[in-house]
Parts: sequence; C-alpha cells; structure tokens
Amino acid sequence: AQSVTQLDSHVSVSEGTPVLLRCNYSSSYSPSLFWYVQHPNKGLQLLLKYTSAATLVKGINGFEAEFKKSETSFHLTKPSAHMSDAAEYFCATRGNQFYFGTGTSLTVIP
Amino acid sequence: GAGVSQSPRYKVAKRGQDVALRCDPISGHVSLFWYQQALGQGPEFLTYFQNEAQLDKSGLPSDRFFAERPEGSVSTLKIQRTQQEDSAVYLCASSPKGLAGHNEQFFGPGTRLTVL
Repeated sequence: AQSVTQLDSHVSVSEGTPVLLRCNYSSSYSPSLFWYVQHPNKGLQLLLKYTSAATLVKGINGFEAEFKKSETSFHLTKPSAHMSDAAEYFCATRGNQFYFGTGTSLTVIP
Repeated sequence: GAGVSQSPRYKVAKRGQDVALRCDPISGHVSLFWYQQALGQGPEFLTYFQNEAQLDKSGLPSDRFFAERPEGSVSTLKIQRTQQEDSAVYLCASSPKGLAGHNEQFFGPGTRLTVL
C-alpha cells in the first residue's frame, strides 16, 4: 500500500533562513511523489514532482526536493524563506488514486 | 487559460438538507477526482472518473454521497441528508490523461460546506 507521512505538523522559520519540510513515503515500487502548496482559500498548487527521471527535483518559487530511496524520504527544501511562502504544504503519492499527507503549516517570521 | 472551477465556493446547509456541488474541470481533461478535506487534514480521496465512467468510488463515506459526470466534462457531487460530520472543503481536481503515468492533478479552489 502507498502512503506518505509528513513528520511535522507545523514549521516556523525566520525570513531569509532555510526551509525543510519532511516527508517519508511507503511504496512497494518506484513511487510518483509530489509536493503541493495550499494558500488560504485557494486550491492546491503543484510545487514539484518526482517521476524517477532525477533524484533532485527543482520546482517553482525556489523549492526543491530530493528523492532518497535508502531513507524513503522526499523532503522539501528552500534555501531562503520568503514571507509569501507561509502556507500549508502537502506531500502526496499516487497509485490508483492520490494519497496525501496530513500537511505541514509553514510560518515565516519577519 | 481557465483552470478548474468549483461552485458554490461556500455552502451552508441545515442538517438533513441535500446539497449539490459542481466542478468544471479543465477542458479536455480525461480524469476527474473528488476529495474531502476536513479542517487541519490533508485531502482524502472520494471518487474518480475517467471521462464519464466512475471507475473508483471507494472513498465515498456513505451511500448519502453520490457523484456523476454524465457527459465526461462537468461533475456534480451530491450529498443527501447532510450531517454535521460532512462539514469540510470538497476539492475537485482534473488531469489530462488517465491514471497511467505521472500526471499531476490540477485542483480547483474547493467548496467549503458547513452543516449546521
């Protein structure tokens, strides 16, 4: 069975400092993995996706994620947080349907 | 270009009322998904259509929930005899192809349903 686990329900960083949002996956085969962002009252927007082409995936708005099979992880990072990054972030995997994590709320402190 | 749209954006219903939530996917998209997102949770799968065929409805929580996509485009999620536990944001997503491959889903803004 496929699933993802987001290890932190809430992350708080200062503006200009690095962001790390953690996601572990469970899959019996090579997974498709996604990171979505959700701003208040908005739909989910795709940040990036892993489809086995490259282990380091670059997404929009300076975000990137690295697929590590040995650690079954797909953590999302950004070198320098911006105030506009404050939002809810969801890791997801797909099989016959999409499976989402419970989300990580990112707060950016000015 | 138009993305996925949903209407209404907000719906307040009295317990026991029936509601209908509409989703307009991106034109030409084959796949359409409905999700339920409770407060503070990630989206939970409800049902999936490929064109007009409902291929998976395993996530529908009860027989009060019904979804259709009769012409393979617009979809309606209907909830009969609403209960307070139905209060959630209902998200619709579409995807250009079928389930095979690594297609992303494009999400609508959601309908926030509050059952009093």
